[in-house]
Amino acid sequence: AQSVAQPEDQVNVAEGNPLTVKCTYSVSGNPYLFWYVQYPNRGLQFLLKYITGDNLVKGSYGFEAEFNKSQTSFHLKKPSALVSDSALYFCAVRARNTGGFKTIFGAGTRLFVKA
Amino acid sequence: DVKVTQSSRYLVKRTGEKVFLECVQDMDHENMFWYRQDPGLGLRLIYFSYDVKMKEKGDIPEGYSVSREKKERFSLILESASTNQTSMYLCASSPTPGTGLYEQYFGPGTRLTVT
Repeated sequence: AQSVAQPEDQVNVAEGNPLTVKCTYSVSGNPYLFWYVQYPNRGLQFLLKYITGDNLVKGSYGFEAEFNKSQTSFHLKKPSALVSDSALYFCAVRARNTGGFKTIFGAGTRLFVKA
Repeated sequence: DVKVTQSSRYLVKRTGEKVFLECVQDMDHENMFWYRQDPGLGLRLIYFSYDVKMKEKGDIPEGYSVSREKKERFSLILESASTNQTSMYLCASSPTPGTGLYEQYFGPGTRLTVT
């Protein structure tokens, strides 16, 4: 079955420290991978994507993610966390569906950055 | 910037009522989606549409219907609201895959409470 897993419900990190939010996936074919962020009482915002090419992709707000095909992972990273990064983060993968494609979202990981 | 708007941020309805949630996007996107977001479950796809007057069932279409009479507008209809449809509803749009852009753009969400 095609799926996305975010193994941590919550990640806590101190401001200034590096952060990692984990994501693993299972799809047939080449994966198209995404990270979205949701701030309180807001819709989701696109952060970054991997389609093809360099395994390290850079996105908005200083975030980056590394595609690892052998581990089927796409972890989100930031070298130095800010309190304003506190939000709900969703990993997603574009997967084949009957008649086309659909996007499968993970359950989300809540990031708390403490000052 | 892509803008996706939803008709209401908060909505309270009674069991059995017919509920309309409206979504409008201003970037001439072909694809539009309705999701519901529940804690611990991430986003689940209710319905999507690849073109005007086209609709496809997502993963949880039961109890819902949709309408897309114009390209920019995608409506979600709860035929007879029930308490288990209390949730956050998110609308999204995306360009055609041929553009090389696969990410989705989300509205702010409608928090629906059915009493």
